[in-house]
Formats: sequence, C-alpha cells, structure tokens
Amino acid sequence: DARVTQTPRHKVTEMGQEVTMRCQPILGHNTVFWYRQTMMQGLELLAYFRNRAPLDDSGMPKDRFSAEMPDATLATLKIQPSEPRDSAVYFCASGLALPPLGRKSYEQYFGPGTRLTVT
Amino acid sequence: AQTVTQSQPEMSVQEAETVTLSCTYDTSESDYYLFWYKQPPSRQMILVIRQEAYKQQNATENRFSVNFQKAAKSFSLKISDSQLGDAAMYFCAYSYSGTYKYIFGTGTRLKVLA
Repeated sequence: DARVTQTPRHKVTEMGQEVTMRCQPILGHNTVFWYRQTMMQGLELLAYFRNRAPLDDSGMPKDRFSAEMPDATLATLKIQPSEPRDSAVYFCASGLALPPLGRKSYEQYFGPGTRLTVT
Repeated sequence: AQTVTQSQPEMSVQEAETVTLSCTYDTSESDYYLFWYKQPPSRQMILVIRQEAYKQQNATENRFSVNFQKAAKSFSLKISDSQLGDAAMYFCAYSYSGTYKYIFGTGTRLKVLA
C-alpha cells in the first residue's frame, strides 16, 4: 500500500531554533507539494516541485523557509529561525504529473502531516 | 483568479440519513478537476471522490456521489446512509490543467448523530 510518509509527526521547539521536516513521496510520483494548515488560514500551498525542480514557492516566507528535494525520494522543508506564528500542521503531498496516455489523474496523495509547535 | 467557496462551516446528519455538502468555484479555465477530501480527527487528508470537468456524468464512489453543475460552477457532495465514521472535515478542492496546484475551500465540519 503506497503512501506518503512524513517525519517527524510531532515537533515542539523553542523560538529561534531550526526545524527540518521530511517527506518521502510515493515511489514513481514526480510532483511534491508542501502545505500548511492553520485554523485561521486553512490549507495554504507553500511550495511545489516537479521532477525535483521547484516550480512555485510563492506561498512561502522566503526569509525563513526553504524547501528542497535532494533526490526523488526525499523532500525537505526547513524553517530557520522558527517563530511561534509558524505553529501549524505541515502536510506533504505527492502526485503524478505525467499520467499514462489516455488517462488523466490530478490527484494529490497526502502524508499524515507534521504538527509543529513553536514556543 | 480561481476561488473555491464552501458556505457551510458545519453540518449535522442523523446516522443512516443523507446529507449534501455544498461547494462553488470560480474559474475561467475549461480543463480542470474537482475533488472532495475528508479529514478525520487523525488529520489525514483522504481523497473521497474526484470529477473531471470534461465529463458530464457525475462521479460516484459507493455511498458518495457528486452533483456537478458546470455552468453554475457548483460541485456538491452527497453522502448516503451516513455512518459515524463519516464525521470529519470535508474540503472541496480545484485543480487546473497544467499546474496540478490545488485551491482548497475553507471546509465543512460534518457531525453524524447516533
């Protein structure tokens, strides 16, 4: 049963510390998305990659957030320095952007999320 | 700009009854996709059903079906024979051709009453 995995599931840290969240997309998927979910803002797209190349990171605060895909099996989201307003659930999702001929599939499959608390 | 609106913050339904969750969207695109996701208390986002805009037939998945009205830009989710396990937040999402980016609605919290 293929699924997206995320680590850690929970993270509590102090303001000013670096936070790294990791995501393993479903094998064979070539598009990876990072979302942030808060009560106030709902689900926000932070960044996304296709074939490991960043396509759009306009939703991400550039001064403290960075997203990378070191290889096809790992995506990372870093916050440095972290602030209390970064407290949220961060989701990774993956999808296949080049579906087989004759079938279109735009689904994104979500990981379980990382609940981040910055004190 | 594309937008997705879920006007019902919360809905309740009796077990075994039917409930309909509303979603409207705004777009100038012709090739797009619509989705309903379920988020139970575990926080996991689960794909419930999807609809391709080029298909006139409404999608169905077991007890879940949609009423897709393309001209009205409406995409409602009907849950039949509601079960306690259906209690969750439900998000409507839109994705347009070429980018695969989702635009989410604000969600509807569904309560199922025993």
